[in-house]
Amino acid sequence: EVQLLESGGGLVQPGGSLRLSCVASGFTFNSYAMAWVRQAPGKGLDWVSGVSGNGGGRDYADSAKGRFTISRDNSKRTLYLQMNSLRAEDTAVYYCAKGVVVAPNGYFDYWGQGTQVTVSS
Amino acid sequence: DIQMTQSPSSLSASVGDRVTITCRASRGIGNSLAWYQQKPGKAPKLLLYAASTLESGVPSRFSGSGSGTAFTLTISSLQPEDFATYFCQQYYNTPSWFGQGTKVEIK
Repeated sequence: EVQLLESGGGLVQPGGSLRLSCVASGFTFNSYAMAWVRQAPGKGLDWVSGVSGNGGGRDYADSAKGRFTISRDNSKRTLYLQMNSLRAEDTAVYYCAKGVVVAPNGYFDYWGQGTQVTVSS
Repeated sequence: DIQMTQSPSSLSASVGDRVTITCRASRGIGNSLAWYQQKPGKAPKLLLYAASTLESGVPSRFSGSGSGTAFTLTISSLQPEDFATYFCQQYYNTPSWFGQGTKVEIK
């Protein structure tokens, strides 16, 4: 059974940092791209960043470029999102999602339960 | 970036109704389109991919069609458990944008 378990969310002040983690199980982790997708309160889904199976290919939404860094440790079956210079508009539930191919451009067949990030003073 | 536009943003329907949701891409994406269902407080669930391929375990009342820039999701006979929000997603390239969602409510 595929499971994705996110952690690391919380309340942070504007300008602060957080690192999200997503531990995966139930599939060959390094064979699939992974992504972070966020959802602001009452809003739709926003793709934030994706990384290829081997970690070599990464891409970001414009809103994340220069502030967020996606990475993965395949030995630990863990996906990360380092978020710096956080803004109020980054407040959202952040989902970890499993891709269906090794490249970052794919759809997502499994999602985690989400972790809440709140940016507020 | 390829932008995705869904319509309508919400609709009211009754159990048994046929429901159609439209998604348009700002430029051609072939058949690189997925549909998801999301219920309140839950993660999205994959329904279809490659525009018209049903994900394993998804009821056959869900179907998809289209290619290029215009796509539809159809629910042939709406069931009580189908009241939710539906999102399309293009995965032709990254950033892999989603449509803004269509909330299907009980009439």
